[in-house]
Amino acid sequence: KAGVTQTPRYLIKTRGQQVTLSCSPISGHRSVSWYQQTPGQGLQFLFEYFSETQRNKGNFPGRFSGRQFSNSRSEMNVSTLELGDSALYLCASKRSSSYEQYFGPGTRLTVT
Amino acid sequence: AQSVTQLDSQVPVFEEAPVELRCNYSSSVSVYLFWYVQYPNQGLQLLLKYLSGSTLVKGINGFEAEFNKSQTSFHLRKPSVHISDTAEYFCAVSDPESGGYQKVTFGTGTKLQVIP
Repeated sequence: KAGVTQTPRYLIKTRGQQVTLSCSPISGHRSVSWYQQTPGQGLQFLFEYFSETQRNKGNFPGRFSGRQFSNSRSEMNVSTLELGDSALYLCASKRSSSYEQYFGPGTRLTVT
Repeated sequence: AQSVTQLDSQVPVFEEAPVELRCNYSSSVSVYLFWYVQYPNQGLQLLLKYLSGSTLVKGINGFEAEFNKSQTSFHLRKPSVHISDTAEYFCAVSDPESGGYQKVTFGTGTKLQVIP
């Protein structure tokens, strides 16, 4: 069974731009969560989507948004990028009734 | 609110020596506990989990952890480490009352460095 895939793996953007990251969950997994990982803040929960609905949200500004499609694929968008948004963005999927998450390899975003 | 404390940010250990990575959590309710490993430039991989039952949990790659409710700890152990165990390890806690919703809190991570 294929694992969680994230595209692109690496991205360089300029301050003020916006970016969209994509995540394809494991087949059959309807829950997708996004995390931001930085050396200073560690792993921070962004949001979780289930059946195209956001059902949980972390403490991030409105510049961070996401969506989920009917095939469970998810995208997250960051608008008006700031230098502090440079991070590894991880996506994780799971079955709806499970607590066991499966992580993708992440997208390394660098904002210059 | 839940919180997770990983007491050591870095742990150096010689190859074939035992290791213990410490994790304490704060929660007034029952919890689910996890240990994840992250190799360089990769995502997180689940090592083991405690949901209920036996307090000694065995995971992949020879790791095990013991849930101690009275001490609110979930320390990770391995009797003999290999060079390939060099990675960052994250302890995480989830609230079973959340009904499957992914309210997971991660610790700040412990970097395990295995010295040849």
